[in-house]
Amino acid sequence: DGGITQSPKYLFRKEGQNVTLSCEQNLNHDAMYWYRQDPGQGLRLIYYSQIVNDFQKGDIAEGYSVSREKKESFPLTVTSAQKNPTAFYLCASTQGSVPLHFGNGTRLTVT
Amino acid sequence: LAKTTQPISMDSYEGQEVNITCSHNNIATNDYITWYQQFPSQGPRFIIQGYKTKVTNEVASLFIPADRKSSTLSLPRVSLSDTAVYYCLVGDMNSGGYQKVTFGIGTKLQVIP
Repeated sequence: DGGITQSPKYLFRKEGQNVTLSCEQNLNHDAMYWYRQDPGQGLRLIYYSQIVNDFQKGDIAEGYSVSREKKESFPLTVTSAQKNPTAFYLCASTQGSVPLHFGNGTRLTVT
Repeated sequence: LAKTTQPISMDSYEGQEVNITCSHNNIATNDYITWYQQFPSQGPRFIIQGYKTKVTNEVASLFIPADRKSSTLSLPRVSLSDTAVYYCLVGDMNSGGYQKVTFGIGTKLQVIP
């Protein structure tokens, strides 16, 4: 059963700590994406990758970093430089004209 | 990608047909129109995609007029479980159109018993 797995579902961190969110897909999709969603808002693009070892900044990349060492994995690190890291983070993937397929998200709370 | 405009919210009673319209005046020749549904604390889920005229699947219908400057998502006989946020996206999905896809605020549909 193919899909995207985001873990953990809930994550709590202290301010000043870096934290890495996991995203794994077994859909054999080339492209992967990270979005951020704040309460009552739409999804904003953080980073995307269309192929292994390559990724591009989205609209709100500051304070975030990513890597794409394997086709199936696209982890997102929220660094201490991100001013307002508390949010709902969504990972997605696609291939060609296939619609975006999303994971169920990670809710990060930083205090 | 073409900018889209949708109503922020809509209410409907159970059993009614709901139509959500999305405006996309700057749609390009190769752009497709895609609709997603999102429940709280979940990722968006693909509902339907179309290029022109009408598309229908087991969940919804999508109506696109000849000028393609708008589209209407039609949900037949909604139930309480259709309460969600619905997003309209426009882009050339055959050429890596998702490269810079950003979802707007969407339309929050509230189904009332």
